[in-house]
Amino acid sequence: GNSVTQMEGPVTLSEEAFLTINCTYTATGYPSLFWYVQYPGEGLQLLLKATKADDKGSNKGFEATYRKETTSFHLEKGSVQVSDSAVYFCALSRLQDTGRRALTFGSGTRLQVQP
Amino acid sequence: DTAVSQTPKYLVTQMGNDKSIKCEQNLGHDTMYWYKQDSKKFLKIMFSYNNKELIINETVPNRFSPKSPDKAHLNLHINSLELGDSAVYFCASSPRIGSANYGYTFGSGTRLTVV
Repeated sequence: GNSVTQMEGPVTLSEEAFLTINCTYTATGYPSLFWYVQYPGEGLQLLLKATKADDKGSNKGFEATYRKETTSFHLEKGSVQVSDSAVYFCALSRLQDTGRRALTFGSGTRLQVQP
Repeated sequence: DTAVSQTPKYLVTQMGNDKSIKCEQNLGHDTMYWYKQDSKKFLKIMFSYNNKELIINETVPNRFSPKSPDKAHLNLHINSLELGDSAVYFCASSPRIGSANYGYTFGSGTRLTVV
């Protein structure tokens, strides 16, 4: 079945540091990949997505590249801010699952950015 | 505002009680979901309805019963509440289930505490 594996957190960084949160997936076919962000006390928000191999999703300074050869979709940001402190979820969905299966989420990675 | 809205935001209740959580979306989406998020932030799909039809019914105690009066509403009723039901419950919607090229839109969550 489909699965998503994320690095365990918390990830603690100083402001302006470089961020990488690793995400790898298991799925047959060609899934679409997503990163969601959950700020404290809020619901999940779609941060970025990529729907085919070698696509790069980007938003708010965050980027992730769909790497089919390594089945990965790592999230990166060049310079984090305190306001980026949140829980980040990697997720996948397959076109073949349309009508049958919901998004598969990873376990989430908490990011703490210190001033 | 277009959104997924859940009520109530907080719910504290005693063991054995029956409670409901309501969800409404005005995005014109066909599919709605209930997810449970535990204390470790892990997200687990519970139910999904597509145009008022139950599509996904994961291994959830039958004390949990979803009801969809129309495609814009998906409510969650819980009978005989137990301590282990304490969690944050998220409603979400998407244009259609699986929606490989689309993300989900989440509500802000209902924090249920059973005492």
